[in-house]
Amino acid sequence: GAVVSQHPSWVICKSGTSVKIECRSLDFQATTMFWYRQFPKQSLMLMATSNEGSKATYEQGVEKDKFLINHASLTLSTLTVTSAHPEDSSFYICSASGPNTEAFFGQGTRLTVV
Amino acid sequence: AQSVTQPDIHITVSEGASLELRCNYSYGATPYLFWYVQSPGQGLQLLLKYFSGDTLVQGIKGFEAEFKRSQSSFNLRKPSVHWSDAAEYFCAVGAWNTGNQFYFGTGTSLTVIP
Repeated sequence: GAVVSQHPSWVICKSGTSVKIECRSLDFQATTMFWYRQFPKQSLMLMATSNEGSKATYEQGVEKDKFLINHASLTLSTLTVTSAHPEDSSFYICSASGPNTEAFFGQGTRLTVV
Repeated sequence: AQSVTQPDIHITVSEGASLELRCNYSYGATPYLFWYVQSPGQGLQLLLKYFSGDTLVQGIKGFEAEFKRSQSSFNLRKPSVHWSDAAEYFCAVGAWNTGNQFYFGTGTSLTVIP
């Protein structure tokens, strides 16, 4: 299957700082990317959907000014957690899909805010 | 509304015993169904998927699942469980006409007793 690479795999940051997570499709053009968040022992919840070159669409309850999503190219989307706080600590996973293809998931990023 | 239900939060089985994890879905369109496995601190690994055709699908690691439209179910099975199968299992439903957005169940945690 296609490969989606997410970086970093884990990150620890201080409260109040910003963290950027990258999601890359390595061997296909990802016209749509999704960002999910998973709290400990819970399921994955969709945060936002982004189409290349367009503004992301956020799910209800997700702060778009806090979770900045950029999908400027067909192979890269970034999620920036701005002014991170301990309650933002979570596992973040992206998925990417191209035209008429299924979605493929990245490996996930574990964010810990201290 | 789309939803996925995994009725069993936690299952414990003995190594070598058979396993069945339940998944029921509610979806307005023709669903594509997936089972993923997640080991602690890791990303998602696709076990198997159903798009169309034969309703019994084979996956990796000896897993299989059967799509039953009349019951809106997609249960995951394995004839003989190995200790390495201990993990969290997620059922998901998606469709290309929603842009590959996935809806996940809450997950079933599997413990394998030696």
